[in-house]
Amino acid sequence: DVKVTQSSRYLVKRTGEKVFLECVQDMDHENMFWYRQDPGLGLRLIYFSYDVKMKEKGDIPEGYSVSREKKERFSLILESASTNQTSMYLCASSFSNPYNEQFFGPGTRLTVL
Amino acid sequence: KQEVTQIPAALSVPEGENLVLNCSFTDSAIYNLQWFRQDPGKGLTSLLLIQSSQREQTSGRLNASLDKSSGRSTLYIAASQPGDSATYLCAVNYGQNFVFGPGTRLSVLP
Repeated sequence: DVKVTQSSRYLVKRTGEKVFLECVQDMDHENMFWYRQDPGLGLRLIYFSYDVKMKEKGDIPEGYSVSREKKERFSLILESASTNQTSMYLCASSFSNPYNEQFFGPGTRLTVL
Repeated sequence: KQEVTQIPAALSVPEGENLVLNCSFTDSAIYNLQWFRQDPGKGLTSLLLIQSSQREQTSGRLNASLDKSSGRSTLYIAASQPGDSATYLCAVNYGQNFVFGPGTRLSVLP
């Protein structure tokens, strides 16, 4: 079974803090994705990576950065958290072959106070 | 612009009913379409993946159909159960770009 894990289920941070969200997959997937999900706005792509040290901006990259030093790990970084970054963050992974499916982690509910 | 819509936004049915969820997409140049289930506060669980060359995929009580030319997919759930209550999302794969629908919130009443 494919497993995508995320470092925290719930996280509470203060405005201005640096926040790290980590995602690990165990199926040797080339592609990894970070989404945020908000009521009424659905899932929106923040960043994705198709290889180690490679990254591409998604629809809403502002205020975020990412790091992919190892194939199995993809980190999302909020350099200076703001209240409008309170959201559910979802990580996903897939093989590079576009005919393959995406697998999601359990999500991290981040609250920025 | 590639857009995905889902109708209805919410659905409430009594246990045992068969039901259909709809997904429409504007750009038919797709690789595949994936149906997910999401329980409140949780991640997405993959239900069915249907390739662009396929018309149908089945898994247990679930059947997904795809009509690429008309930009539509349906998810059929047979003999619904209270445990099927969740939000169902479809996601269209355009290569490296996945576009998600807003979801249909399903409630199955005992």
